[in-house]
Amino acid sequence: GDSVTQMEGPVTLSEEAFLTINCTYTATGYPSLFWYVQYPGEGLQLLLKATKADDKGSNKGFEATYRKETTSFHLEKGSVQVSDSAVYFCALTPLDTGRRALTFGSGTRLQVQP
Amino acid sequence: DAMVIQNPRYQVTQFGKPVTLSCSQTLNHNVMYWYQQKSSQAPKLLFHYYDKDFNNEADTPDNFQSRRPNTSFCFLDIRSPGLGDAAMYLCATSREVWVITEAFFGQGTRLTVV
Repeated sequence: GDSVTQMEGPVTLSEEAFLTINCTYTATGYPSLFWYVQYPGEGLQLLLKATKADDKGSNKGFEATYRKETTSFHLEKGSVQVSDSAVYFCALTPLDTGRRALTFGSGTRLQVQP
Repeated sequence: DAMVIQNPRYQVTQFGKPVTLSCSQTLNHNVMYWYQQKSSQAPKLLFHYYDKDFNNEADTPDNFQSRRPNTSFCFLDIRSPGLGDAAMYLCATSREVWVITEAFFGQGTRLTVV
């Protein structure tokens, strides 16, 4: 079945450091890929998405590129802020099977220190 | 303004005592989902409604039921909660089921079973 694997956290960085959170997936067909973020006390929010190979999703300084050859969708940000502290979930949904709901990774907690 | 609202945010129930969690949406989306999220794990899909059509995941226990009386509301009923059902329950919506461009999540209900 479909699955998403994320690097384990927590990831602790100093402000203005470079961030990478790794995400790889296993899926039949050609999934759409997403990053969701969950700030403390809030629900999940869509951060960015990519629907086909080589697409780059970007939002709020975060980027991720859909790499079909490595089945990866790593999240990056050049300079993190304290306000980026949250849990980040990588997710997919396939387009060519009957299942349409999101399949999530286990989440990676990011802690940014001043 | 919140578009997917879950009530209550925190629910404590006794072992074996039926409990109902609620979700409402102002987006007029066709699809509503219920996910279970245990500590440090990926959200796990329990079931979803496409309009009035109910779709149960194969591994969702019979102890979990759902109702969708109208487009705006969806309920999760746990008939006899066990200690293993303590988790965060997430409600989400999307416009359609065959192409998910974005899912909108509520803040979740944290269920404690005592």
